[in-house]
Amino acid sequence: AQSVSQHNHHVILSEAASLELGCNYSYGGTVNLFWYVQYPGQHLQLLLKYFSGDPLVKGIKGFEAEFIKSKFSFNLRKPSVQWSDTAEYFCAVNVRTGGFKTIFGAGTRLFVKA
Amino acid sequence: EAGVAQSPRYKIIEKRQSVAFWCNPISGHATLYWYQQILGQGPKLLIQFQNNGVVDDSQLPKDRFSAERLKGVDSTLKIQPAKLEDSAVYLCASSRITGTGSYEQYFGPGTRLTVT
Repeated sequence: AQSVSQHNHHVILSEAASLELGCNYSYGGTVNLFWYVQYPGQHLQLLLKYFSGDPLVKGIKGFEAEFIKSKFSFNLRKPSVQWSDTAEYFCAVNVRTGGFKTIFGAGTRLFVKA
Repeated sequence: EAGVAQSPRYKIIEKRQSVAFWCNPISGHATLYWYQQILGQGPKLLIQFQNNGVVDDSQLPKDRFSAERLKGVDSTLKIQPAKLEDSAVYLCASSRITGTGSYEQYFGPGTRLTVT
């Protein structure tokens, strides 16, 4: 069965530290990849997405992610986090099963200390 | 553009009671999703509609859950009878249709259900 694994459930960083959140998926077919973010008290919203082309994609607020097909990974990075990046981050994969079905990871809670 | 609307925002019921949630997607979005998010887990797709047809309901517990999308716009999700393990946030999302699966989903605020 298809699945998405996020390696860290909770991450605590100080401001200006670098961030990398891991995401691996298990599916050998066509995929589209997403990172969604949920800030405290807000809706889930798209951070960035990959569906073709350059495997290094840039999103909002200085985030980027790299798709490594051979490793089935789509890790999220930010060189220098801010207190306002405190949120929960979800990796999601669209797999083609006739149409497209979305599978979410369990999420990573990031807390950035000011 | 207006976002995805959901109601109610919170609901507390006793087990074996029934409950219904409502969702109004973004205008023009043909695809509508219902997700269940249990505390500490990511959203799990329950059902996906394209216009008013069901695309995927493989993870919908059909003995107690039902959903409909009349006229391809609003949707309701019902649970009857509820169990304790149904306590979760129920998220509605919508998206445009693309042939490549590259669409993003727009999420509503969710309905937090507590079953006692």
